[in-house]
Amino acid sequence: EDQVTQSPEALRLQEGESSSLNCSYTVSGLRGLFWYRQDPGKGPEFLFTLYSAGEEKEKERLKATLTKKESFLHITAPKPEDSATYLCAVQAMKGSNDYKLSFGAGTTVTVRA
Amino acid sequence: EPEVTQTPSHQVTQMGQEVILRCVPISNHLYFYWYRQILGQKVEFLVSFYNNEISEKSEIFDDQFSVERPDGSNFTLKIRSTKLEDSAMYFCASSPLTDTQYFGPGTRLTVL
Repeated sequence: EDQVTQSPEALRLQEGESSSLNCSYTVSGLRGLFWYRQDPGKGPEFLFTLYSAGEEKEKERLKATLTKKESFLHITAPKPEDSATYLCAVQAMKGSNDYKLSFGAGTTVTVRA
Repeated sequence: EPEVTQTPSHQVTQMGQEVILRCVPISNHLYFYWYRQILGQKVEFLVSFYNNEISEKSEIFDDQFSVERPDGSNFTLKIRSTKLEDSAMYFCASSPLTDTQYFGPGTRLTVL
């Protein structure tokens, strides 16, 4: 069974204080790893897709990286509006009709001004 | 920018009643999904739908659940006889092919 573990569960940052979130995964062949942002009571908002080890993607203050066992989401000089829960999900290379995402529990980031 | 939309935003129902949750996926997307998130828990996969049929379903998606694409734009999730444990946020998602899935804002289902 696919497993996705995110750490830490919660992260409190001062505005401008950079940090990293971790997502470790176990899948029988990775088709893709996805990062989403989720605000309270809302749906997951797509951030990045990573497909192979060594790949990196950037968007504003966020940068996602991927190795064979884990992914990191780096937040550089965060602002209060970056406060959210960040979800990691994997899509395994299984049957031709199996494209479901398996999610981690998320890391809740709070950025104080 | 195209978005997945869902209605209603909040549904309150009595145990044993039938509910239908509605979704309008992004047009020209081919794959459709339902996920749910019980309060404080992970987002869980329920079912995927492609070419007018279910392509994958989880153990959660038992005979009480069904999905339908009644026309060219809507995608629905029906729960025939709701239970207390069905209370959750239900998210619809769609993808153009088999990769990135875009999620709707969710329907909060409360079963009393």
